Amino acid sequence: AQKITQTQPGMFVQEKEAVTLDCTYDTSDPSYGLFWYKQPSSGEMIFLIYQGSYDQQNATEGRYSLNFQKARKSANLVISASQLGDSAMYFCAMRFLDTGRRALTFGSGTRLQVQP
Amino acid sequence: DAGVTQSPTHLIKTRGQQVTLRCSPKSGHDTVSWYQQALGQGPQFIFQYYEEEERQRGNFPDRFSGHQFPNYSSELNVNALLLGDSALYLCASSYGEKLFFGSGTQLSVL
Repeated sequence: AQKITQTQPGMFVQEKEAVTLDCTYDTSDPSYGLFWYKQPSSGEMIFLIYQGSYDQQNATEGRYSLNFQKARKSANLVISASQLGDSAMYFCAMRFLDTGRRALTFGSGTRLQVQP
Repeated sequence: DAGVTQSPTHLIKTRGQQVTLRCSPKSGHDTVSWYQQALGQGPQFIFQYYEEEERQRGNFPDRFSGHQFPNYSSELNVNALLLGDSALYLCASSYGEKLFFGSGTQLSVL
């Protein structure tokens, strides 16, 4: 079974600065995908970025990048130039790539607060 | 292009009642998954539907059941509601690797 660990319950960052949210995972399976989602107080889970275990390059989506270190089993999210609207809960998640095991396993989340 | 839509947004039920939650997937998505998110926690996988069949199920009792229709929309049914079923229920749709979630249904059981 896979496990996702997010060790930062809460983080503060100044507006316009960069911030890194930590995520480690535990699996012996070679084929998996890693996700980051943002959940504002409204409740919607917003997809941010995806990294496949076989992808050679780190994924980037606008201001979001995923620092994928496969040997260390870490998938940290980097948000550049933080904005006030980035204040939310952030969840790291993982799932296997074979069709019979597609469930996402989530971490406990990190609450990010961006200060003006 | 509409994203994943869920209805209703909020629901209040009493113990022992039954509830049905609905989900319309993002256009072109053929796979629907349901998750339960208790307050202050990450979402927990309930089950996934593909081609109208339950493809995978999480650690939830049989009181939780689902259905997928030919147009890929889906329903989640919960029977004999317990106080502990109070949570945000999230639907996600996918085609390929990426999952997209709806805004959820907030269920309160009194």
